[in-house]
This record gives sequence, C-alpha cells and structure tokens, in this order.
Amino acid sequence: EVQLVESGGGLVQPGGSLRLSCAASGFTFSSYDMHWVRQATGKGLEWVSAIGTAGDTYYPGSVKGRFTISRENAKNSLYLQMNSLRAGDTAVYYCARSVDTAMGLDYWGQGTLVTVSS
Amino acid sequence: SYELTQPLSVSVALGQTARITCGGNNIGSKNVHWYQQKPGQAPVLVIYRDSNRPSGIPERFSGSNSGNTATLTISRAQAGDEADYYCQVWDSSTWVFGGGTKLTVL
Repeated sequence: EVQLVESGGGLVQPGGSLRLSCAASGFTFSSYDMHWVRQATGKGLEWVSAIGTAGDTYYPGSVKGRFTISRENAKNSLYLQMNSLRAGDTAVYYCARSVDTAMGLDYWGQGTLVTVSS
Repeated sequence: SYELTQPLSVSVALGQTARITCGGNNIGSKNVHWYQQKPGQAPVLVIYRDSNRPSGIPERFSGSNSGNTATLTISRAQAGDEADYYCQVWDSSTWVFGGGTKLTVL
C-alpha cells in the first residue's frame, strides 16, 4: 500500500525556519517525481515545489530562494527546508508523488500544518 | 504566468449531470488533471491527462479538453460527490492549479 506521511509542521515565528519531512513507503521511491503542495485554511491548492528522479528541482516564484526541496532515496524520504517564513506561508503542506507531468499527482499524504505567527 | 479559471461553485440535482469547467489559454494543448477534495481530507486524483480515470474512480467521472476549455463531467451525481474540484496543468516548468470549484449536490 502506498503511504506518504508528512511530519515537521508546527508554530514558527516570522523570519524563522522549518524543515518538513515526508516518509514514503509501498512503492519504489526513487522512480517517482515528488512534490509539495500547500493549502491555507479555506483557500485553494498551491504548488510549492517539485523534485525529479534525477534531482532536478522546480519552484514557483512565491517561494523561490526561500524554500529548498530535497530527497534521500536511500531513506525513502522527501524534505522541504523553509527559510524566511512569512505569515502567508501558513498552510497545510502535503507531499505527493507523480510518475511524470502527464500522469498527475496520484497519491497524497494527509498533510502537516505550518503556522507562521509571532 | 499561466492561469486557470474555474467557476467558484456549481450546483447539480441528485442523479443529474454536473459539468465543471477549467479555462486557460490554449489549454487544449496541455495535459489537464482533476482532483476531488472533501473537507478535512487530502486531494484525490480523479482524472489525469484530460480524460483518463485512475484505478478506483467511478466511470461516472469523465473529462474532455479542447481549445481554451477543459471540462470535468460527473454523471448521475451522488451526495458523496459533493466536494471541491481543482484542475491542474504543467506549464513552463511549474504546476498550476485552478482556483477550485465547490460542487453542491441538491
């Protein structure tokens, strides 16, 4: 059974840092692109970052230079290092996988809540 | 940057057909994916690459994509289909989501 379990969320002050993790199981992790998608309370989905099987990374302008996605295939783990956090980064953060861009994000974790507040 | 436009809400009578649109410039040239999200739950992929259903998704869900509009169609709508629906495309090395549509089953 495919499982994605996020962890590392919590309360952080503006300007602070946080590292999210996503533990994957039930599939060959190294063969999949991985993603982070966030959702503020009552708002829509916002893509945050992606990493390909070759380690290529992608970000939207809203987080580029502040967030870093990485993966450790030996540990079946995905990470998101978030720096210079702002109130607008407050959201539930989901990790998700995809075979490629033509197949969509076919499995998602249950999310971890990040709250940026003083 | 690329934008996807969805109606904020769509209503459908129980047992009837709901259509949710996703507008974008020449979206017909892109692969469109659709997600269903119920309150308090993670999104679920219901259509990928315009019109394909993942395993476990009922045949009542279908999709099409042409020109500047992609459409998610839900036939014989059930109470359990009430949810938010999001379209998504990959454009210029970024994932783009539509703003989401709340489907209400009356």
